[in-house]
Amino acid sequence: EDQVTQSPEALRLQEGESSSLNCSYTVSGLRGLFWYRQDPGKGPEFLFTLYSAGEEKEKERLKATLTKKESFLHITAPKPEDSATYLCAVQPTRETSYGKLTFGQGTILTVHP
Amino acid sequence: DGGITQSPKYLFRKEGQNVTLSCEQNLNHDAMYWYRQDPGQGLRLIYYSQIVNDFQKGDIAEGYSVSREKKESFPLTVTSAQKNPTAFYLCASSISPAVYEQYFGPGTRLTVT
Repeated sequence: EDQVTQSPEALRLQEGESSSLNCSYTVSGLRGLFWYRQDPGKGPEFLFTLYSAGEEKEKERLKATLTKKESFLHITAPKPEDSATYLCAVQPTRETSYGKLTFGQGTILTVHP
Repeated sequence: DGGITQSPKYLFRKEGQNVTLSCEQNLNHDAMYWYRQDPGQGLRLIYYSQIVNDFQKGDIAEGYSVSREKKESFPLTVTSAQKNPTAFYLCASSISPAVYEQYFGPGTRLTVT
C-alpha cells in the first residue's frame, strides 16, 4: 500500500528563519511526486512536480528536492505570506493507479513577523 | 480566465437528503477527480474520470455517485447512504491521466445535521 508521511505536522518560524519540510513516501514505483500549497478554506495550489531522485525545482523562496525515499521542501527566508498548509502527494507507476494521487496529511507552516 | 469552479462554497443539508455538488472546468482537461478532506487527514479520492462517459471508484466511493456527460462537468452526489458526509469536498482536473499535475477548484464545505 502506498504511504506518504509528512513531518513535522506543524512548524512555526520567525520571518527570515529558513527551514525544511519533509515528505517520506513508500511506493512500489514512483512516477511523480507533487507539492501543493493550501490556504485555509481554499483548494490546493500546485507548486512542483519531481520525477526522479536528484531532481530539484525552485520557485521564489521555495525549493523542492527528491531522493529515493523522501522529498524536502526548503523555505529560505520565509515571509508571513508563506504561512499555509503544504501538501505532498505521490503518483505510483502501477497501471491500476493510473492518474491517482496519494496525499500526505500536510504540514501547517506559520511564519511570524 | 481558465479554471475550475465549484458551487456552492457552503452547503447545509439535513440528514437523509441527497445533495449534488457542482464542478465545472474550462481548461479543456480530459481527467477530473473528486476528493474529500477531513481535518488532520490527507485528501482521499472519491471518484475519478479519465474521459467523458467513463469514471472509476476511488478509495472511498461508498455513499457517493458521479456522472460525466460533458467534458467540462463532473458533478458529485452525496447520498443518504454516506455515513459521515460533513467534510470539505475538492474537485480537480488534469490535462490527461498521463499528465499527473492536478489543478484544484476552491472547494465546497458540506455540513449535514
